[in-house]
Amino acid sequence: NAGVTQTPKFQVLKTGQSMTLQCAQDMNHNSMYWYRQDPGMGLRLIYYSASEGTTDKGEVPNGYNVSRLNKREFSLRLESAAPSQTSVYFCASSDWGDNEQFFGPGTRLTVL
Amino acid sequence: AQKITQTQPGMFVQEKEAVTLDCTYDTSDPSYGLFWYKQPSSGEMIFLIYQGSYDQQNATEGRYSLNFQKARKSANLVISASQLGDSAMYFCAMREVRSNDYKLSFGAGTTVTVRA
Repeated sequence: NAGVTQTPKFQVLKTGQSMTLQCAQDMNHNSMYWYRQDPGMGLRLIYYSASEGTTDKGEVPNGYNVSRLNKREFSLRLESAAPSQTSVYFCASSDWGDNEQFFGPGTRLTVL
Repeated sequence: AQKITQTQPGMFVQEKEAVTLDCTYDTSDPSYGLFWYKQPSSGEMIFLIYQGSYDQQNATEGRYSLNFQKARKSANLVISASQLGDSAMYFCAMREVRSNDYKLSFGAGTTVTVRA
């Protein structure tokens, strides 16, 4: 089991460029999440998908879109990157009633 | 409103000593879960321990224990016999069950540095 995988691990963008962060899990989990972590702060929820076919906004959704492609995959898209989106992005998954949320290794994104 | 508060930005602890990391939470949901995660300098999020709001006993996992005081809305993490490898950032998080989406709210974290 690979658990939760994320690609890419690192990315540098220029302001205004777009990109998609990929996330996949092989644990057959229903729920998937995207968080961002800024220096010295905890994780903040961007978007989540409680089950395949549904997505909802989290605490900081502005400037992002998501797609729950299937049960395994949940992608995060930045349409027009801004320096304020420089952050580390974590994808996570869990199942209903789980006492743990499983995290991917993170993507470090820099927007110049 | 802040759901999870971790008031200690950073702490130093001597190797082999115990350390307590504070966490207070705010919720009106009678059913919730509290989590602690460790984030070493390598950046990954490592799950440590979980406490459910209806659990009668404090959770323990090896050297980690959770001091759960429901009336005070407090869920402090105790690390016993600290090791150099415990140096990391520690996050407290809460899941409110009523929302039925199992998303987590995180505190700002506490950095622990273990001294030899």
